[in-house]
Amino acid sequence: EAGVTQSPTHLIKTRGQQATLRCSPISGHTSVYWYQQALGLGLQFLLWYDEGEERNRGNFPPRFSGRQFPNYSSELNVNALELEDSALYLCASSLNLDQPQHFGDGTRLSIL
Amino acid sequence: AQKVTQAQTEISVVEKEDVTLDCVYETRDTTYYLFWYKQPPSGELVFLIRRNSFDEQNEISGRYSWNFQKSTSSFNFTITASQVVDSAVYFCALRETYNNNDMRFGAGTRLTVKP
Repeated sequence: EAGVTQSPTHLIKTRGQQATLRCSPISGHTSVYWYQQALGLGLQFLLWYDEGEERNRGNFPPRFSGRQFPNYSSELNVNALELEDSALYLCASSLNLDQPQHFGDGTRLSIL
Repeated sequence: AQKVTQAQTEISVVEKEDVTLDCVYETRDTTYYLFWYKQPPSGELVFLIRRNSFDEQNEISGRYSWNFQKSTSSFNFTITASQVVDSAVYFCALRETYNNNDMRFGAGTRLTVKP
């Protein structure tokens, strides 16, 4: 069974640009979660999607947004990139709320 | 307010030593879940264990064991006879059911096992 897959592996952008990160959950998982892991700040919850709807979002500005597609894959969009957006962005999926989240390898976003 | 506290930022041990990683959490919820994840240098978070708030039985899986104590709001993780491959950052996490099921991670403990 394939795990959670994320693309791209690395993404280099400049300030002010927009970035799109993609995530495919484990087959059968309907919930997708996004986290930001910035250096020295641990994992910060960004967004949770379930059945195509945004269920919850963390304490991030509106320029962080996303969506979930009918096949349960998801995109994270970050607009007006700032230097502090440089981080590892991790996607996770779960079968339901009772089950653990399984993580992908992440997308490392670097802002120059 | 910090939900999950991993007071040990870094721990270094020599191979075959036992090591305990501490995790203290806070919640007003009566139904919640606790997790441990391992993040090796490759970066992917690997799920280790999940515990719900109604199950205080300790668990052992090979060299890994977990001690859940609701009275002290702790969920500690012990590695027995540590190995170099255990070197990683370990995260404890709490998922509350009242708070829209937010998953809150601790800051992580970096474990280095030296040969």
